[in-house]
Amino acid sequence: DSGVTQTPKHLITATGQRVTLRCSPRSGDLSVYWYQQSLDQGLQFLIQYYNGEERAKGNILERFSAQQFPDLHSELNLSSLELGDSALYFCASSVAWGERAQYFGPGTRLTVL
Amino acid sequence: GESVGLHLPTLSVQEGDNSIINCAYSNSASDYFIWYKQESGKGPQFIIDIRSNMDKRQGQRVTVLLNKTVKHLSLQIAATQPGDSAVYFCAEKGTDMRFGAGTRLTVKP
Repeated sequence: DSGVTQTPKHLITATGQRVTLRCSPRSGDLSVYWYQQSLDQGLQFLIQYYNGEERAKGNILERFSAQQFPDLHSELNLSSLELGDSALYFCASSVAWGERAQYFGPGTRLTVL
Repeated sequence: GESVGLHLPTLSVQEGDNSIINCAYSNSASDYFIWYKQESGKGPQFIIDIRSNMDKRQGQRVTVLLNKTVKHLSLQIAATQPGDSAVYFCAEKGTDMRFGAGTRLTVKP
């Protein structure tokens, strides 16, 4: 158990809908990262927050957004969902913003029908 | 563009043998190279990393080798055990983290 929690574990929705994925980092970690894992694209970095501020951006679509709250939990919002958004979404956390050792949560499996 | 990739998608070894998982990278500016292990149904787990100015680093039963001349990274697992069965990802850390496609390691009893 990494200490990172993600909810929900599974999510099934329809195209065009909007969903919110939630992540609670390990106690004491200030940095949160979001990743998308799909069969054809592998593990792709989406975005990073550090202590509430956006720190780095990867291959995140404009339809996706994230934020980190004062209690350090983070949410990833996915809107206007398409079939191709079906994937595993992982949250990871680390103590500082440039850490190589990131602790991953169990992931949220999103299925868009 | 810059990419991190893996030579072999699957690797099968006998329990007790040593395993070598390989990775090619193309971004010479990366500061660190990292290996992660992902077991079925779980998120990736940090194994070991190596700074770009090093060529070898050892951990518990694992060794990472970095050959900057040919832009190659490898993970050696000694005395492979059934619990080592997983997908192994190499990743490079610059301004962000980029992961390779992964190699599935299967350990036969």
